[in-house]
Amino acid sequence: SQKIEQNSEALNIQEGKTATLTCNYTNYSPAYLQWYRQDPGRGPVFLLLIRENEKEKRKERLKVTFDTTLKQSLFHITASQPADSATYLCALDAGSYIPTFGRGTSLIVHP
Amino acid sequence: DVKVTQSSRYLVKRTGEKVFLECVQDMDHENMFWYRQDPGLGLRLIYFSYDVKMKEKGDIPEGYSVSREKKERFSLILESASTNQTSMYLCASSQQGTTDTQYFGPGTRLTVL
Repeated sequence: SQKIEQNSEALNIQEGKTATLTCNYTNYSPAYLQWYRQDPGRGPVFLLLIRENEKEKRKERLKVTFDTTLKQSLFHITASQPADSATYLCALDAGSYIPTFGRGTSLIVHP
Repeated sequence: DVKVTQSSRYLVKRTGEKVFLECVQDMDHENMFWYRQDPGLGLRLIYFSYDVKMKEKGDIPEGYSVSREKKERFSLILESASTNQTSMYLCASSQQGTTDTQYFGPGTRLTVL
């Protein structure tokens, strides 16, 4: 069956370091992959989209990589700040225009 | 600025009550979705709609129904609320024929006593 895996354990890092979050999937052939940020008690907010033929995408301090051979996406936040603390969700779509979301990984950036 | 609004941020209802959750988007999006989110289970799709008066079941439609009479409005109905429907409910919309980037509302925290 199709599965999306994100680390359920929170990632704790120090301010200024690079945070790296992982999204692994099985039995998918996604056309694209998205990353969302969700703050407690709020709806997710779209951050970045990367297509299957793209290796890397950047937006300000954010970088996403997509390896369809490894079936993995990495989400990086450089020079992390306490304000980056949130839960980050990855979402995959195989072309149906209905994304399937992972359960998210909590990031905690300590000052 | 794109906007999805939900009728209530917090709602407390009693078992057996009929509950209406409303969602409105101002982006002229064709697609609208209702999810529930529970700790450890992530986002689960309840229903979605591609067009006015059209609806499709998601992964967990049991105990819910929906209504889409106007393009901008998508309602979720709990015909007879039960305690296991206590959850965070999230509405989202997306534009048809493009990537499926979803725009979410702020969520409704529903408690059924």
